[in-house]
Amino acid sequence: AQTVTQSQPEMSVQEAETVTLSCTYDTSENNYYLFWYKQPPSRQMILVIRQEAYKQQNATENRFSVNFQKAAKSFSLKISDSQLGDTAMYFCARKGGGTSYGKLTFGQGTILTVHP
Amino acid sequence: DTAVSQTPKYLVTQMGNDKSIKCEQNLGHDTMYWYKQDSKKFLKIMFSYNNKELIINETVPNRFSPKSPDKAHLNLHINSLELGDSAVYFCASSPPTGPAGELFFGEGSRLTVL
Repeated sequence: AQTVTQSQPEMSVQEAETVTLSCTYDTSENNYYLFWYKQPPSRQMILVIRQEAYKQQNATENRFSVNFQKAAKSFSLKISDSQLGDTAMYFCARKGGGTSYGKLTFGQGTILTVHP
Repeated sequence: DTAVSQTPKYLVTQMGNDKSIKCEQNLGHDTMYWYKQDSKKFLKIMFSYNNKELIINETVPNRFSPKSPDKAHLNLHINSLELGDSAVYFCASSPPTGPAGELFFGEGSRLTVL
């Protein structure tokens, strides 16, 4: 099975500090795509950031950046200058081609709490 | 305008009943999905349709039947509801850019089976 693993069920951080959420995955494909989604208490799934596996450069979106280590199959999310609105559940996800075309496989999620 | 909309948002029903959840997207996407989020927040794909054709069916019980009348709609009908069907069901769509396309999710429909 091609799985996605988030080993941190819960994390907390003080406002304005930096936090890193971990994610590892298993795949036999060479070309695939990785995502971080955020699910606040409102339940809406919101895309935070996306990484294409064939790109070596780490993706960044404002305060959000990733550390993509393809050989290690690791895809961690760094949130800088954490804000109260970042409090949410964060899901790492992988999307591949071939027979898994279109299928987004999620990790178990990490609950992030930002404290004032 | 809501990009991916689901109705109803909340549904409470008795075991054995049949219920439907509707989903519509106005993004012009070709591919639509149903995901189930269980009580532990784990998200798992159930079905995927591309241009009204079923492309993914993840060993979901036959009691679950998706229907796609056109590529903007993907409805989920559930027969003979069981307690274990209680969950949040998410509809999503993705653009025709292949695997690179992100999924756009609806707000979810919380189903409670009593």
